[in-house]
Amino acid sequence: GQQVMQIPQYQHVQEGEDFTTYCNSSTTLSNIQWYKQRPGGHPVFLIQLVKSGEVKKQKRLTFQFGEAKKNSSLHITATQTTDVGTYFCAGRGTNAGKSTFGDGTTLTVKP
Amino acid sequence: DTAVSQTPKYLVTQMGNDKSIKCEQNLGHDTMYWYKQDSKKFLKIMFSYNNKELIINETVPNRFSPKSPDKAHLNLHINSLELGDSAVYFCASSQVSRSYNEQFFGPGTRLTVL
Repeated sequence: GQQVMQIPQYQHVQEGEDFTTYCNSSTTLSNIQWYKQRPGGHPVFLIQLVKSGEVKKQKRLTFQFGEAKKNSSLHITATQTTDVGTYFCAGRGTNAGKSTFGDGTTLTVKP
Repeated sequence: DTAVSQTPKYLVTQMGNDKSIKCEQNLGHDTMYWYKQDSKKFLKIMFSYNNKELIINETVPNRFSPKSPDKAHLNLHINSLELGDSAVYFCASSQVSRSYNEQFFGPGTRLTVL
């Protein structure tokens, strides 16, 4: 079955440093979504990427979808304490089936 | 207005008991899900219903039984609770199309089995 791997599992950064989490699928995806879960909260949708090589930005967050549509990354520039939480990718198979969540990357930011 | 709501928010119970968690969405979505999140934050899908019909049933013990009385509700009943069932359970909903399937999550139910 489809597997979605996400690395690293944990990342600790100093406020102001950059952060990147990577997502890799065992199969080609029709789309990839990113979610953020604040401590004690629930996952909240951030963005969806559909096209090969697509890049989208949301303020300090940059999302990329690989050319082969099997990998994706989320990059945060100049982290702030409000960025803490767990970031999940979710990849949807090409048969428009279910989305499979990665294991998440938990980000902590030291002020 | 809460889009996806779950009750209860916290559930503490003894091993061997039976308990239910309720979920309701007011978004008019056609698909609802149950996820289990363990202490390592891994988010694992358990079930998915589309228009009241079961479409995803992952490898979940048959002590877990979902019930969807209508499109807006998906409840989870758990029989003979075990220590390993302790986790946060999230309900989610989405309006699934060929190109889009953004999921909206409920606030979660923290289940503690003693």
